[in-house]
Amino acid sequence: GAGVSQSPSNKVTEKGKDVELRCDPISGHTALYWYRQSLGQGLEFLIYFQGNSAPDKSGLPSDRFSAERTGGSVSTLTIQRTQQEDSAVYLCASSLRRGWETQYFGPGTRLLVL
Amino acid sequence: SQQGEEDPQALSIQEGENATMNCSYKTSINNLQWYRQNSGRGLVHLILIRSNEREKHSGRLRVTLDTSKKSSSLLITASRAADTASYFCATPLGGSQGNLIFGKGTKLSVKP
Repeated sequence: GAGVSQSPSNKVTEKGKDVELRCDPISGHTALYWYRQSLGQGLEFLIYFQGNSAPDKSGLPSDRFSAERTGGSVSTLTIQRTQQEDSAVYLCASSLRRGWETQYFGPGTRLLVL
Repeated sequence: SQQGEEDPQALSIQEGENATMNCSYKTSINNLQWYRQNSGRGLVHLILIRSNEREKHSGRLRVTLDTSKKSSSLLITASRAADTASYFCATPLGGSQGNLIFGKGTKLSVKP
């Protein structure tokens, strides 16, 4: 069906507030990723879900960041007590089976922390 | 540190010219991929080349891979204004099993 979708497209929040970002991967894709991209920079890996395995959280920048993937499908990235340096575009991607295969990206959520 | 790094960081050419971007990586790899990004949003997969391949074509795109030099190049022939975008190479962290690690990208500007 459709590609990877993310919501919201844009989010403006105040420093200290919590935010939740949602990702709907392509149906049937077992691998799901979250990346962060600051202005003019490359992609920074955050977290990787592969099937029912424990997620690879090695890219999360602090314990304010967490993510879950329910039922092997939809994923939510939560940022608690947001800081201005959290402002970035958050990109979600999915791939059919393995992390090193072709990844299909969503349009991203642009987060601005004031 | 970055697994893949693109060169140049920025490239400006006239429509109709060819554009060449390079990528260097550090560890042995299973495959190398090129992606394109418009306007800071989602990336679009362009082409995947496996470690046992030396060259691959897709339309106006030509990708080469030199595993001895740990480098790859992306050539866009007969460029168009619509090719204006950032181009990223990506390689699997750890060689084959890990997730993809992206470089910082080459920003291509094609002037009409």
